[in-house]
Amino acid sequence: DVKVTQSSRYLVKRTGEKVFLECVQDMDHENMFWYRQDPGLGLRLIYFSYDVKMKEKGDIPEGYSVSREKKERFSLILESASTNQTSMYLCASRAGGARGEQYFGPGTRLTVT
Amino acid sequence: EDKVVQSPLSLVVHEGDTVTLNCSYEVTNFRSLLWYKQEKKAPTFLFMLTSSGIEKKSGRLSSILDKKELSSILNITATQTGDSAIYLCAVSGGTSYGKLTFGQGTILTVHP
Repeated sequence: DVKVTQSSRYLVKRTGEKVFLECVQDMDHENMFWYRQDPGLGLRLIYFSYDVKMKEKGDIPEGYSVSREKKERFSLILESASTNQTSMYLCASRAGGARGEQYFGPGTRLTVT
Repeated sequence: EDKVVQSPLSLVVHEGDTVTLNCSYEVTNFRSLLWYKQEKKAPTFLFMLTSSGIEKKSGRLSSILDKKELSSILNITATQTGDSAIYLCAVSGGTSYGKLTFGQGTILTVHP
């Protein structure tokens, strides 16, 4: 059975802190993605990775960075958290190839105070 | 820039009603359109529609892709309270990495 896990369901951080969100998939997928979800805006892509150590900016990369040192793990980093980064963060993975769905993790609700 | 627009943004119905959710898109090099259902957790996959598979059905849910109008509909017949969720439409285009562009989502509430 497909499984994508995220390190925390809920996280509260202070402004200026460095925040790490971890995502692990057990499907040997090549592609991994980080989204944030806000009411009325849907899911917006922050970064994605199509191979180990490879990454591409999504639609809203500002204020974020990512790391993919191993195929199964994709980390999202908030270098200096700000209140406007309070959101639900969703990780997804997908097999390589032209077509196929993305599988999502349960999400991390991050609050920055 | 790829764009996906869903309508309505929210919908309230009673059990047994039939609903139609809409999704329109503008995307470079269209590959596929996907529908997801999201309750209080991760989005779960419903359907994927492509140029070679423009209609899908599963139980009370069905979806059609209109390539000419660049749109899709998701139909739910005989709705149940368990259908209450956010329904997300996404399109894949461009590269083969499977990057998706999502719409805003439709919040469906089904009352008993």
